[in-house]
Amino acid sequence: DQQVKQNSPSLSVQEGRISILNCDYTNSMFDYFLWYKKYPAEGPTFLISISSIKDKNEDGRFTVFLNKSAKHLSLHIVPSQPGDSAVYFCAASERNYGQNFVFGPGTRLSVLP
Amino acid sequence: KAGVTQTPRYLIKTRGQQVTLSCSPISGHRSVSWYQQTPGQGLQFLFEYFSETQRNKGNFPGRFSGRQFSNSRSEMNVSTLELGDSALYLCASSPTSGGANEQFFGPGTRLTVL
Repeated sequence: DQQVKQNSPSLSVQEGRISILNCDYTNSMFDYFLWYKKYPAEGPTFLISISSIKDKNEDGRFTVFLNKSAKHLSLHIVPSQPGDSAVYFCAASERNYGQNFVFGPGTRLSVLP
Repeated sequence: KAGVTQTPRYLIKTRGQQVTLSCSPISGHRSVSWYQQTPGQGLQFLFEYFSETQRNKGNFPGRFSGRQFSNSRSEMNVSTLELGDSALYLCASSPTSGGANEQFFGPGTRLTVL
């Protein structure tokens, strides 16, 4: 049973528009969440994180929103650029249990020029 | 600062053989985690080592093992390889274990089992 779900395998967005990637989790003990971007033939690259004491974290064009009651988080990219085309993974952990991150299956984002 | 390095980048083995993969974390990082990535299962956590001790273990059979050296470098070993072990094996390092720490990933080792 997947503890972290990304129900959209793929997403296409026009350049300059907003990309919204969604992630749902089932384990209420998760208290730290990260988003990673992955290009082919490379390891995942950290994008942004959020802890459960916050509901929003912003870093440049990237904003992550956390809704603890719904066990849902989302990553907003504004404005989307062609270089953002990659696979995006959300990951979750219980901070007291080390670096044991549970990853979602990923969403492939394509930003069309 | 140099990033996480993994060797070798590509490996081809046959069923029944064993394999050892190596990971050098970012300088100063003491936690090393290993993940298996397959098209069907995504990234799955194998284990984490911190200060030469296994801190966490994922749901993988005992054929998968690892260790960490005093310089924080880590190795992962898979014995009696099966076809289903073909995957990208990713190593990630972070300064400490737990807490609000992101992981920095290496490029991975692509293992093909024939």
